[in-house]
Amino acid sequence: GQQLNQSPQSMFIQEGEDVSMNCTSSSIFNTWLWYKQDPGEGPVLLIALYKAGELTSNGRLTAQFGITRKDSFLNISASIPSDVGIYFCAGQPDHYGGATNKLIFGTGTLLAVQP
Amino acid sequence: NAGVTQTPKFQVLKTGQSMTLQCAQDMNHNSMYWYRQDPGMGLRLIYYSASEGTTDKGEVPNGYNVSRLNKREFSLRLESAAPSQTSVYFCASSVAGTANYGYTFGSGTRLTVV
Repeated sequence: GQQLNQSPQSMFIQEGEDVSMNCTSSSIFNTWLWYKQDPGEGPVLLIALYKAGELTSNGRLTAQFGITRKDSFLNISASIPSDVGIYFCAGQPDHYGGATNKLIFGTGTLLAVQP
Repeated sequence: NAGVTQTPKFQVLKTGQSMTLQCAQDMNHNSMYWYRQDPGMGLRLIYYSASEGTTDKGEVPNGYNVSRLNKREFSLRLESAAPSQTSVYFCASSVAGTANYGYTFGSGTRLTVV
């Protein structure tokens, strides 16, 4: 089945550093979502993006819907220890037609923050 | 506001045993999903139910069955557990007809098959 390529696979950073991660697809998407999974919990929605070029922020998090509609980026500024977890991108391919609610998930980026 | 509730949280099975993972949501969502999460593989869709009374296979349905008992509940059954089914299982729900609002996930069931 279709997959989303998410990179990097893992990041080990110092508190206060900025973080960037991205997600790419071989096909066009009409929706991009970013989730965070805390250890031992289920993923929680952080940001949703609905059109090419859209830039949306949620506190220290900023995500962008790529112009080509085949990628998305998530940035975290001034990281803190509670940012630790796995970050997943998810999206809906354009060829799904928009009438379905099926999503495709990326493989995740593991973020570790050293105090 | 419970959201999506999964039971049990942890389970150890012997190869060949059967069990049912339970999921219930109280958000009046029409659509429900079962995913498994394995290291390096992300979240893979096992089965989903677009609405009450319908179920469809996802990416990795072999070895599983599902039941959409009513609008609130969606269960996942392993008839004869295998070590390859050791994983973390997540149930999720969403508004019907659009992926725009994302899914709400439960906190997971950690299953080990020995």
